[in-house]
Amino acid sequence: AQSVTQPDIHITVSEGASLELRCNYSYGATPYLFWYVQSPGQGLQLLLKYFSGDTLVQGIKGFEAEFKRSQSSFNLRKPSVHWSDAAEYFCAVGPGRGAQKLVFGQGTRLTINP
Amino acid sequence: DAGVIQSPRHEVTEMGQEVTLRCKPISGHDYLFWYRQTMMRGLELLIYFNNNVPIDDSGMPEDRFSAKMPNASFSTLKIQPSEPRDSAVYFCASSFSGATGELFFGEGSRLTVL
Repeated sequence: AQSVTQPDIHITVSEGASLELRCNYSYGATPYLFWYVQSPGQGLQLLLKYFSGDTLVQGIKGFEAEFKRSQSSFNLRKPSVHWSDAAEYFCAVGPGRGAQKLVFGQGTRLTINP
Repeated sequence: DAGVIQSPRHEVTEMGQEVTLRCKPISGHDYLFWYRQTMMRGLELLIYFNNNVPIDDSGMPEDRFSAKMPNASFSTLKIQPSEPRDSAVYFCASSFSGATGELFFGEGSRLTVL
């Protein structure tokens, strides 16, 4: 069965600092991996996705993520955070092309200190 | 283009009452999902449809919950009778089969059952 673990429930960083949010997945085959962001009072929005190819993928809002098969990880990074990045971030895994059912992690809440 | 539209945004009801949540997916999308989000359990998939047909309802908590999709532009999630433990934010999301895993979420319906 697929599963996603986000080890950090809550992270606080200072504005302008770099950010890395961790995600580990469990899946037998090559997974389809996603990061979503949820701003307060809003639904989730897709940040980026990885299906195959280059293991470093770029997303919206200056985010990137790196797929590391050996570590079963798909960590999200941003070189310099802005106050508007404060939100909850969800990692998700899907079973393959055309399949739409995703398994989401528990989420990591990001707080930005001014 | 309009996104996924959910109504009501907020609902406060008393235990035992019937609750109906509504969703209008993005035009042209052939998948529709109902998720529930709580602090304790995170984001849970309740049910999803493909071309208006329920594909997987294994996440529906119990018989008090039912979902329908009478046509491609409308879906309902009904809880009857409601209980305090049903208090949560309910999200509807839609996607297109040609875009794996790219879900578009509504802003959610916050349900409080007293």
